Amino acid sequence: DAKTTQPPSMDCAEGRAANLPCNHSTISGNEYVYWYRQIHSQGPQYIIHGLKNNETNEMASLIITEDRKSSTLILPHATLRDTAVYYCIVRSSPSAGGTSYGKLTFGQGTILTVHP
Amino acid sequence: NAGVTQTPKFRILKIGQSMTLQCAQDMNHNYMYWYRQDPGMGLKLIYYSVGAGITDKGEVPNGYNVSRSTTEDFPLRLELAAPSQTSVYFCASHSSYNSPLHFGNGTRLTVT
Repeated sequence: DAKTTQPPSMDCAEGRAANLPCNHSTISGNEYVYWYRQIHSQGPQYIIHGLKNNETNEMASLIITEDRKSSTLILPHATLRDTAVYYCIVRSSPSAGGTSYGKLTFGQGTILTVHP
Repeated sequence: NAGVTQTPKFRILKIGQSMTLQCAQDMNHNYMYWYRQDPGMGLKLIYYSVGAGITDKGEVPNGYNVSRSTTEDFPLRLELAAPSQTSVYFCASHSSYNSPLHFGNGTRLTVT
């Protein structure tokens, strides 16, 4: 599985955009980039995912570089409720043995603190 | 829809006791997973299943067992509980290979 590197912590002012970077230089051509977040030790919450094109949904935007070696999650107007641990994950490809599954391998993530 | 439901929410076990953590989903998902999360750490995969009757080991399977007799349920069995199994356990499911995982709210287990 491709490994990811994220900064351990970031701060953001409420109402401003939060830009969370992620490096995944060993990503394979058919592996997706996923973002999850975890608030107060609740179960992780899905945010967004993408392959090569930029993606946007009601929660966030995902910008993937052309070489796919890095990406940025953008929360356009951060609120205090966005304070959480954010995980950038490269999702494994189906195993060579033919049993397809899409497990997620979690790293340490980035602790985002949104302050007033 | 209830989504992914985990029971119990909290449990304290004595060393050597056994228990089963329950996980049920009502979304007809084929893929189900058990993760554990130690304090300040990311999630580690214990076991997973790609459908009823099919299970396989993840990164940290020792001390655990699973079964998948129905699509809905994926119980995790702890035999001979040890303090190293003190953790928060999360169950997750998804429908197809590249669909997002849905997580339960976790079971907080303490072994003393």
